[in-house]
Amino acid sequence: GQQVMQIPQYQHVQEGEDFTTYCNSSTTLSNIQWYKQRPGGHPVFLIQLVKSGEVKKQKRLTFQFGEAKKNSSLHITATQTTDVGTYFCAVGSGNNRLAFGKGNQVVVIP
Amino acid sequence: DSGVTQTPKHLITATGQRVTLRCSPRSGDLSVYWYQQSLDQGLQFLIQYYNGEERAKGNILERFSAQQFPDLHSELNLSSLELGDSALYFCASSVSTRHTDTQYFGPGTRLTVL
Repeated sequence: GQQVMQIPQYQHVQEGEDFTTYCNSSTTLSNIQWYKQRPGGHPVFLIQLVKSGEVKKQKRLTFQFGEAKKNSSLHITATQTTDVGTYFCAVGSGNNRLAFGKGNQVVVIP
Repeated sequence: DSGVTQTPKHLITATGQRVTLRCSPRSGDLSVYWYQQSLDQGLQFLIQYYNGEERAKGNILERFSAQQFPDLHSELNLSSLELGDSALYFCASSVSTRHTDTQYFGPGTRLTVL
């Protein structure tokens, strides 16, 4: 099945700064989804990207799907303590089963 | 609150035992997915049911089985438990099986095998 690699695995971010997390695949993806999991919580759907070069914004979060549909990024501006957690990208394949990346664990330094 | 419920929240058992994890999907969702989250393997897809029928299988061990009942709730049965089965087990649901359908995750069941 399709696999995605996430980089970096861990990030320490100063409150107020920006950061980006990346998701890469060696194959062309039909779609990509992003989830956030707070410490002790469950994955929560953030967004789905389907079109080549698509850019979507949710307040301080900007999601991008590469032109070749092989990579995606999530950029967060003005980081807040509520941004702490693990950000996963996932690829939906047959019957909507999701293949998750290993995640990017983000720690926010106040 | 995603609308997906899972019971129990925590489960502690011994090796060799059998346990059943239960999931109730969001109202109106026909598709149920089970995922296992462990530190070394991350989030792994186990199995999917749609309207009572098995639709897809992932990395699910033969010691594990699942079913979806007519009222659409699902159960994941884990038998002959081993230490390595200790993990968080999540259930998710979606309206159908289209790859554009959003999956809503339950709070999970933390299984500890001693």
